[in-house]
Amino acid sequence: EAQVTQNPRYLITVTGKKLTVTCSQNMNHEYMSWYRQDPGLGLRQIYYSMNVEVTDKGDVPEGYKVSRKEKRNFPLILESPSPNQTSLYFCASSLSGARGGYTFGSGTRLTVV
Amino acid sequence: GENVEQHPSTLSVQEGDSAVIKCTYSDSASNYFPWYKQELGKRPQLIIDIRSNVGEKKDQRIAVTLNKTAKHFSLHITETQPEDSAVYFCAASHSGNTPLVFGKGTRLSVIA
Repeated sequence: EAQVTQNPRYLITVTGKKLTVTCSQNMNHEYMSWYRQDPGLGLRQIYYSMNVEVTDKGDVPEGYKVSRKEKRNFPLILESPSPNQTSLYFCASSLSGARGGYTFGSGTRLTVV
Repeated sequence: GENVEQHPSTLSVQEGDSAVIKCTYSDSASNYFPWYKQELGKRPQLIIDIRSNVGEKKDQRIAVTLNKTAKHFSLHITETQPEDSAVYFCAASHSGNTPLVFGKGTRLSVIA
């Protein structure tokens, strides 16, 4: 089944404790992206990757890191999480850029206390 | 960069009535306009999209219209049903190689 898989689905952590949210797609998509969703603010892009070893900042990249060492994986890294990073995170992929629309993962609800 | 405005932020309609959600965009080079539906606790899913070479596209009870001159596009849902209740997001991009920019979403409630 074609899908984008995110893990974990839920995570509660403490301020400053490094964490990684994994994202993997099995559709051979070139483009992958991370969004955060907050009430009243919609979906805001954190980082995106047009292909392996190519990553770019989105609208809200501060406090996040990403890597794209393989086509299928695009992990989101929070080196020192803070409470303002409490949010619902979505990974998305597409064949090439926005063409054809995105396939979203199931989401990761992160709480930083 | 692109900016997408979406209205209204909330919309309540009676079952069977029509619902219309409107979006405006700022970048005249944008040429791809998808709509996503997000049910409560679920991921956003693409429901319909339109490209700038057409003015309207329909798929059963949903339709999208595009006015490139005015830089706005709209989602129309006819004969609404309770299962249409969700948050709807519009988005825009150009060339297909630029990221989608999303509107802030519209929470649609269909009252039985």
